[in-house]
Amino acid sequence: AQRVTQPEKLLSVFKGAPVELKCNYSYSGSPELFWYVQYSRQRLQLLLRHISRESIKGFTADLNKGETSFHLKKPFAQEEDSAMYYCALTSFSGNTGKLIFGQGTTLQVKP
Amino acid sequence: AAGVIQSPRHLIKEKRETATLKCYPIPRHDTVYWYQQGPGQDPQFLISFYEKMQSDKGSIPDRFSAQQFSDYHSELNMSSLELGDSALYFCASSRQGSNEQYFGPGTRLTVT
Repeated sequence: AQRVTQPEKLLSVFKGAPVELKCNYSYSGSPELFWYVQYSRQRLQLLLRHISRESIKGFTADLNKGETSFHLKKPFAQEEDSAMYYCALTSFSGNTGKLIFGQGTTLQVKP
Repeated sequence: AAGVIQSPRHLIKEKRETATLKCYPIPRHDTVYWYQQGPGQDPQFLISFYEKMQSDKGSIPDRFSAQQFSDYHSELNMSSLELGDSALYFCASSRQGSNEQYFGPGTRLTVT
């Protein structure tokens, strides 16, 4: 079964501390993985996709196929990083790929 | 840059009423997805359209139907509304060949 698991509902850190939001997945085939962020009362925004291997707002994520993980990391958290973070994978059917989301992790960065 | 537009942003309906949610994708995006996000839940896929044809279907109740029109906008029609239908309904769009989905602000439906 295709599934995304984010084990932490809430992660609370102090400003300047390192952050790691965990994501594990199960998928038969080659998955395409994403991190989406949802700031308070705003729309879901694409933060990262594993194919591009970019660093956005200081966040990085590496796909580890052996551990079936796609953890999101940032070396120094900022208060403006406080938001809900969703890990998602694309499940393909015909011409389109629906997103399967994890349960989400709320990141709270304290001053 | 133009983003995905959804209307209305908020909707209050009573049980057994009907509701229509609209989604206008980013220009030149030909694929539309609908997701439902209940309170404290992750978004769940409902249905998707590519070039005006339904391309995939998720956990969408039979009371709901949707379509994509010639201008690529999409409408989600919900009938016989139930209290459990209260949720945030997101629309997302993408361009064929790209798996990056861009989300609208959502329509918050409250059924009383």
